[in-house]
Amino acid sequence: GENVEQHPSTLSVQEGDSAVIKCTYSDSASNYFPWYKQELGKGPQLIIDIRSNVGEKKDQRIAVTLNKTAKHFSLHITETQPEDSAVYFCAASKGAGSYQLTFGKGTKLSVIP
Amino acid sequence: GAGVSQSPSNKVTEKGKDVELRCDPISGHTALYWYRQRLGQGLEFLIYFQGNSAPDKSGLPSDRFSAERTGESVSTLTIQRTQQEDSAVYLCASSLARGPPAFGAGSRLTVL
Repeated sequence: GENVEQHPSTLSVQEGDSAVIKCTYSDSASNYFPWYKQELGKGPQLIIDIRSNVGEKKDQRIAVTLNKTAKHFSLHITETQPEDSAVYFCAASKGAGSYQLTFGKGTKLSVIP
Repeated sequence: GAGVSQSPSNKVTEKGKDVELRCDPISGHTALYWYRQRLGQGLEFLIYFQGNSAPDKSGLPSDRFSAERTGESVSTLTIQRTQQEDSAVYLCASSLARGPPAFGAGSRLTVL
């Protein structure tokens, strides 16, 4: 089955700096890659996603890049703010027919004011 | 509109007791998922319902775990004879047939 590795497990950045979280996946048939943000005591919230026919996607301060050949994808957050502090999860799925997601173990991001 | 609603938000039980966790999906969402999140870990798939199709139960960790769904509405996850290792947050998510899941806030289960 699919295996998703996520790094780093913790990340601290100064407010205004950029943060990068990286994930690798094992199943070359995976074609859908969402990122979720989970704040304390809440469920994960989808923040951005990318499909395998696209190499990069951007939404304001957040961007995701995908390298299908290397089977890795990354989340980039620019101009970080304290409210970006949360646990971020990457995931992968084969998409069609089922969005059963395989998740990474998460990255705890702390943005220091 | 209303999001995915889960109850109870917190449940403390004694080892060996049965528990039921409830999920109300977003109206119109045909797909429903249960995931388990152990402390400091990622989300572990448990079960998937899609419309009237047979559910995908491949993630259920043992026969003590079961789930039901009434049509395209409420779902209940039942854990029988709870063990301490069942302590976790149980997350429910729903989606359109081909769309990313939207998660509820979860039910935190503590087995003493």
